[in-house]
Amino acid sequence: DSGVTQTPKHLITATGQRVTLRCSPRSGDLSVYWYQQSLDQGLQFLIQYYNGEERAKGNILERFSAQQFPDLHSELNLSSLELGDSALYFCASSEPGLAGSYEQYFGPGTRLTVT
Amino acid sequence: DAKTTQPNSMESNEEEPVHLPCNHSTISGTDYIHWYRQLPSQGPEYVIHGLTSNVNNRMASLAIAEDRKSSTLILHRATLRDAAVYYCILRDVRNSGGSNYKLTFGKGTLLTVNP
Repeated sequence: DSGVTQTPKHLITATGQRVTLRCSPRSGDLSVYWYQQSLDQGLQFLIQYYNGEERAKGNILERFSAQQFPDLHSELNLSSLELGDSALYFCASSEPGLAGSYEQYFGPGTRLTVT
Repeated sequence: DAKTTQPNSMESNEEEPVHLPCNHSTISGTDYIHWYRQLPSQGPEYVIHGLTSNVNNRMASLAIAEDRKSSTLILHRATLRDAAVYYCILRDVRNSGGSNYKLTFGKGTLLTVNP
């Protein structure tokens, strides 16, 4: 158990809908990262928040947005869903530390199926 | 982030050592070498990291070539539970601010462990 929790575990929804994925980082971790894993694209970084502020953006679609709240939990919002958005979405957290040296702890993921 | 090259797959037998290679010929002096693994149906899991010297922890050892252009993850006695995709990732410490440290995953090496 990494200490990172994600809800829900599974989500099935229809095209055009909007969903919210939730992540609670490990106690004390300030950074939250979101990743998407699909069969054709592999594991891809989406976005990072650090202590409530957006710090880095990856291949995140404009239909997707995220935020980190004062209690440090994070939500990833996916809207106007398409079949191609079906994937595993992972959240990870990390503690402040020496640049480049500290590890990320991943949650169990949310499996999103768009029908 | 600098690129890494790993074999697509490797096979080993239970209780035997496994050496997983990674080439990173364009590594820079500020790149840390990280290894993560992803067990079936789980999120990625940190294994080990290093900069220049060989490193050991309870999970594995990391052997880094003198010129740092390659590294090898060593599992001393493979178990069935070690069957996973292993990712070798470079992270540049120069990403400043203590917060921009996304992981860039390649395709990794699928390790199969035979009983």
